Amino acid sequence: EVQLVESGGGLVQPGGSLRLSCAASGFAFNYYAMAWVRQPPGKGLEWVSAISAGSENIYYADSVKGRFTISRDNSKSTLYLQINSLRAEDTALYYCVTKPAGQNYFDYWGQGTLVTGSS
Amino acid sequence: HSALTQPASVSGAPGQSITISCTGTSIDVGGYNYVSWYQHHPGKAPKLMIYDVSQRPSGVSDRFSGSKSGYTASLTISGLQAEDEADYYCSSYRIGITWEFGGGTKLTVL
Repeated sequence: EVQLVESGGGLVQPGGSLRLSCAASGFAFNYYAMAWVRQPPGKGLEWVSAISAGSENIYYADSVKGRFTISRDNSKSTLYLQINSLRAEDTALYYCVTKPAGQNYFDYWGQGTLVTGSS
Repeated sequence: HSALTQPASVSGAPGQSITISCTGTSIDVGGYNYVSWYQHHPGKAPKLMIYDVSQRPSGVSDRFSGSKSGYTASLTISGLQAEDEADYYCSSYRIGITWEFGGGTKLTVL
């Protein structure tokens, strides 16, 4: 069974930083591209970032480019999202999602971790 | 402002069929056959229902179907059931190697 467990969310002051983690199990993590998708409270989904299976290719939404960094450790089956220069509009539930290599959909989703940017 | 346009809400009675539309442009929905649909029950993880416009993942009921014409993709749910009540999101690959979502549609089963 595929499991994606996010952690690291919390309340952070605007301008602050935090690192989200996603522990993956139940599938061949090192063969899958991965991504982060977020959902602000009461709003729709927004793709944030994606990373290829071997980390060769990394992509970001314009709204987070230069502030967020996606990475992965295949030896630990873990995906990360480093969030710097947090803004209030980054407040959202952040989902870790799987993306089959070469495909353009997200087939498994975690339960999400909540990031709140507020003073 | 979402890049893909969906109706805010749709409703239908049990047993009926409903269709949710998802309208984009030439650089996303209209340019690629990479539209996917997700079902989201609040408080739970979203679930992939359709990918590549009309493909159903293993385990998804054949009551769910997808199609596309021009810049508009559609999700049709036939034989509505109470458990189908949820939020539905479309997504599309967009030129420049990004992915975007619609604003979501709340389905109410009357």
